[in-house]
Amino acid sequence: AQTVTQSQPEMSVQEAETVTLSCTYDTSESDYYLFWYKQPPSRQMILVIRQEAYKQQNATENRFSVNFQKAAKSFSLKISDSQLGDAAMYFCAYKGLRSGNEKLTFGTGTRLTITP
Amino acid sequence: GAGVSQSPRYKVAKRGQDVALRCDPISGHVSLFWYQQALGQGPEFLTYFQNEAQLDKSGLPSDRFFAERPEGSVSTLKIQRTQQEDSAVYLCASSLAGVGGELFFGEGSRLTVL
Repeated sequence: AQTVTQSQPEMSVQEAETVTLSCTYDTSESDYYLFWYKQPPSRQMILVIRQEAYKQQNATENRFSVNFQKAAKSFSLKISDSQLGDAAMYFCAYKGLRSGNEKLTFGTGTRLTITP
Repeated sequence: GAGVSQSPRYKVAKRGQDVALRCDPISGHVSLFWYQQALGQGPEFLTYFQNEAQLDKSGLPSDRFFAERPEGSVSTLKIQRTQQEDSAVYLCASSLAGVGGELFFGEGSRLTVL
């Protein structure tokens, strides 16, 4: 079974600084997707960024980028120029590409606090 | 609607009561998922529908949990004889068909069992 581990329950960063959230995963599959989701206090999960495992290039979405290390099974999220609106729970998630497997497996999350 | 809609937002039930949680997905989304999120944890998969077919129910914790999506649109998650360990936020998500399709989540239904 696939597992996703987020070893940082809480992180704090000053506004305008850069922060990196860690995620590792365990799988025997070679093809899969990895995701970072943001969950603000309103509880609605929002997709931040997605990475296809077959792509060597790290995904980037504006201030958000990932460092995907397939051999190490590591998938960290870097947030540049942190803003107050970035404060939320961040969840790393895995999706295998086996036929019939549509579910996401989530980590336990990292609570990110932004200090002014 | 514009997004995934869930109701009720909050539900308090006495132990032993039955509850029903509703999910209205984004129009045209083929896939629908239910997740359970305990306090301080990540979401845990419960079940998955493609149209009206329930293709995966491996995450349902017991036979007290039942989900349906009879017309391939609105879905209902029913929990019978609720117990305190059922207290959690129940998240619904929908997506277009296809590998890697982005999941769009609702705001969840928070169930508290007394």
